[in-house]
Amino acid sequence: AQKITQTQPGMFVQEKEAVTLDCTYDTSDQSYGLFWYKQPSSGEMIFLIYQGSYDEQNATEGRYSLNFQKARKSANLVISASQLGDSAMYFCAMSLGGNTGKLIFGQGTTLQVKP
Amino acid sequence: GAGVSQSPRYKVAKRGQDVALRCDPISGHVSLFWYQQALGQGPEFLTYFQNEAQLDKSGLPSDRFFAERPEGSVSTLKIQRTQQEDSAVYLCASSLVLSNTEAFFGQGTRLTVV
Repeated sequence: AQKITQTQPGMFVQEKEAVTLDCTYDTSDQSYGLFWYKQPSSGEMIFLIYQGSYDEQNATEGRYSLNFQKARKSANLVISASQLGDSAMYFCAMSLGGNTGKLIFGQGTTLQVKP
Repeated sequence: GAGVSQSPRYKVAKRGQDVALRCDPISGHVSLFWYQQALGQGPEFLTYFQNEAQLDKSGLPSDRFFAERPEGSVSTLKIQRTQQEDSAVYLCASSLVLSNTEAFFGQGTRLTVV
């Protein structure tokens, strides 16, 4: 069965420090995509970063990087130089085949950035 | 519009009432998706459209849930005879094509069934 697991319900980080949010996935498909979305209290899901299963290099987008370890089936999000505005819920998600909009989401991790 | 727009933002329905939730996707986006997000949980897929065709409705929890996108743009999610367990945030997302592009989400409609 396809599944996304986020084991950290809540995380704290000091402003300007880096933080890693964990994500493991389970699928028997060879072709899949891994996403991270941010959900602030206002409710919308904001796309952060994408990694394809065949991509050999880890994805990076500004302060976000995805630590993709295919053999371990993990796709951790690293946020560098945390900012107060990074406080939000973060979801890891997986798409299967070519449909990047049909996503399986994890339970989410609440990140709080301390000043 | 610039983003995905959903209305209403909040809806309170009495148990047994029918409700209709609207989604305006980003102009030109072919694919449209509906998700249900219970409190404290990740979103769960309900259904998706490519243009006006509903290609996957495997996530709809019961036959009380119905979605349409008759002209390939605006979509409506209808819930008949609402139950308390239907209380959730309903998120709509759209994408330009199915693959290689991320989906953009709206702010959701928070439905509370009393």
